[in-house]
Amino acid sequence: GQNIDQPTEMTATEGAIVQINCTYQTSGFNGLFWYQQHAGEAPTFLSYNVLDGLEEKGRFSSFLSRSKGYSYLLLKELQMKDSASYLCAVMDSNYQLIWGAGTKLIIKP
Amino acid sequence: IAGITQAPTSQILAAGRRMTLRCTQDMRHNAMYWYRQDLGLGLRLIHYSNTAGTTGKGEVPDGYSVSRANTDDFPLTLASAVPSQTSVYFCASSESGLAGHTGELFFGEGSRLTVL
Repeated sequence: GQNIDQPTEMTATEGAIVQINCTYQTSGFNGLFWYQQHAGEAPTFLSYNVLDGLEEKGRFSSFLSRSKGYSYLLLKELQMKDSASYLCAVMDSNYQLIWGAGTKLIIKP
Repeated sequence: IAGITQAPTSQILAAGRRMTLRCTQDMRHNAMYWYRQDLGLGLRLIHYSNTAGTTGKGEVPDGYSVSRANTDDFPLTLASAVPSQTSVYFCASSESGLAGHTGELFFGEGSRLTVL
């Protein structure tokens, strides 16, 4: 079967750096997405990776290793507003998005 | 800026009743989707539409139906609601269908449905 694994919950301190990991096993690969979802709100797009390596976008970076079936989302200079769930999704060979259950990130002052 | 509008935002429904969740987008996106989100599970695709006039089944289509009469509207109907359909439902859109898709999905704010 296809599955996406990410930690259920993480805690970090304001101003620090946190890395949220995502491992996947899918039938084929056509890209990996990260979304942010604040409690009670809609998911919003953060990043897309299709080639190996690091994509940087401001305080957020996303890394992909296709050979390892692995990605991470790196958040720097954490702010209280970064408290949210972070969803990893992989597009398989049929162009279907397979979603992880999300990682709830708690930021403490 | 509206983007995607869903209605209702919340609804409590008796089992066996018929319910339609409405979704409208003003971005002229070709593709639209309905997902359900349950605690501890990833988003699961119910139905999708790559363009007006066409629809397709997702991962969990049973008990749900959709129509796409025009570009903007994509209603989801539960013909006879059951308690297992208690969930948060998200409508989403993208410029093109998922094949070759590299951009983002735009989500509505969600409809929280409770079936008793």
